[in-house]
Amino acid sequence: KQEVTQIPAALSVPEGENLVLNCSFTDSAIYNLQWFRQDPGKGLTSLLLIQSSQREQTSGRLNASLDKSSGRSTLYIAASQPGDSATYLCAVRRHSGAGSYQLTFGKGTKLSVIP
Amino acid sequence: EPEVTQTPSHQVTQMGQEVILRCVPISNHLYFYWYRQILGQKVEFLVSFYNNEISEKSEIFDDQFSVERPDGSNFTLKIRSTKLEDSAMYFCASSSGLGDTQYFGPGTRLTVL
Repeated sequence: KQEVTQIPAALSVPEGENLVLNCSFTDSAIYNLQWFRQDPGKGLTSLLLIQSSQREQTSGRLNASLDKSSGRSTLYIAASQPGDSATYLCAVRRHSGAGSYQLTFGKGTKLSVIP
Repeated sequence: EPEVTQTPSHQVTQMGQEVILRCVPISNHLYFYWYRQILGQKVEFLVSFYNNEISEKSEIFDDQFSVERPDGSNFTLKIRSTKLEDSAMYFCASSSGLGDTQYFGPGTRLTVL
């Protein structure tokens, strides 16, 4: 059964710092990996999707990398801003010959960017 | 930008009552999903739906749960007889293709008393 772990559970940084959030998964047979942000009491906003054949994806100040063989992904946020404060979730979709649709989520990293 | 919408935003019900949570997926998407998040816990997969049938479900999705796409736009989750432990945030999601980005709605907070 796929398990997704995110470390640290919480992170506090001063504004302007670059930071890295980590995600690990136990089964490397994944189809893709998706990073989300979740604001308190709100839904999930998709940030980046990395297919299993890709090594990284970039969107603005965000860069996500994937090392499938070691079961790891990182989300790099450059020049952090107070508006980046949220919980960041990592989710993997397993690879299955029969087709598997579900995402398995980590518990998230709660990021606070201090002005 | 197209988005997934959900109603109601908050539903309070008595234990044993039936509830229907409603979602309008993004219009050209073909795959639909329900997830839930119990307070303080991980987001968990419940069910996926494609071509008017359930394509995958988790062990959480027992006989008390059902899904339906009653028309061309709505996607619903029904809980037949709610239990206290069904209290959670329920998220609807949709994607255009099987391996594509899943877009989530804002959620319905279900409180079972």
